[in-house]
Amino acid sequence: EDKVVQSPLSLVVHEGDTVTLNCSYEVTNFRSLLWYKQEKKAPTFLFMLTSSGIEKKSGRLSSILDKKELFSILNITATQTGDSAIYLCAVGQNAGGTSYGKLTFGQGTILTVHP
Amino acid sequence: GAGVSQSPSNKVTEKGKDVELRCDPISGHTALYWYRQSLGQGLEFLIYFQGNSAPDKSGLPSDRFSAERTGGSVSTLTIQRTQQEDSAVYLCASSLAAGNTDTQYFGPGTRLTVL
Repeated sequence: EDKVVQSPLSLVVHEGDTVTLNCSYEVTNFRSLLWYKQEKKAPTFLFMLTSSGIEKKSGRLSSILDKKELFSILNITATQTGDSAIYLCAVGQNAGGTSYGKLTFGQGTILTVHP
Repeated sequence: GAGVSQSPSNKVTEKGKDVELRCDPISGHTALYWYRQSLGQGLEFLIYFQGNSAPDKSGLPSDRFSAERTGGSVSTLTIQRTQQEDSAVYLCASSLAAGNTDTQYFGPGTRLTVL
């Protein structure tokens, strides 16, 4: 069974702290790993990773994928209260040589940043 | 429109009633997805549509759930004879094409409460 596991499930920090969120996966025919931020309802896209060892950055957020060890991390430096959200990790797969649209999501990490 | 829209934003219904949830994808996106998010959980895949191909219904939890997509654009998710365990946020997403890009853009969701 395809599985995506995130850790920790919840995290409480203070503004200015740096956090690392983890995502490990066991899926067949891996194609890509995505990170989303969910504040109220709609998850918003952060990163898509397909290759090992290539860091993607956007401001204070960065992410990297390790396809050998089957995990990814999402780093947030100098956290702000606006970073408080649920961070979702999802994996896309290939099926039978053709593209397959479904994403398998982890359960999410709830990040709370206190002032 | 600029993003994925869903209606209604909230729906309260009585057990046993049928409900219809609507999704308008981003213009030009050929792939459309439905997910369900129960309280404190990650997203659970339900169904996806890609162009004129037969939909992938593998995630639908029972035959009470069905979805259609008319004219390759708007989609309706129907739940018949609702049960209390159907209470969740139902999220719709769209992408340019399933697999050509995994980046799925989500709507704000419909919160369904079955009393």
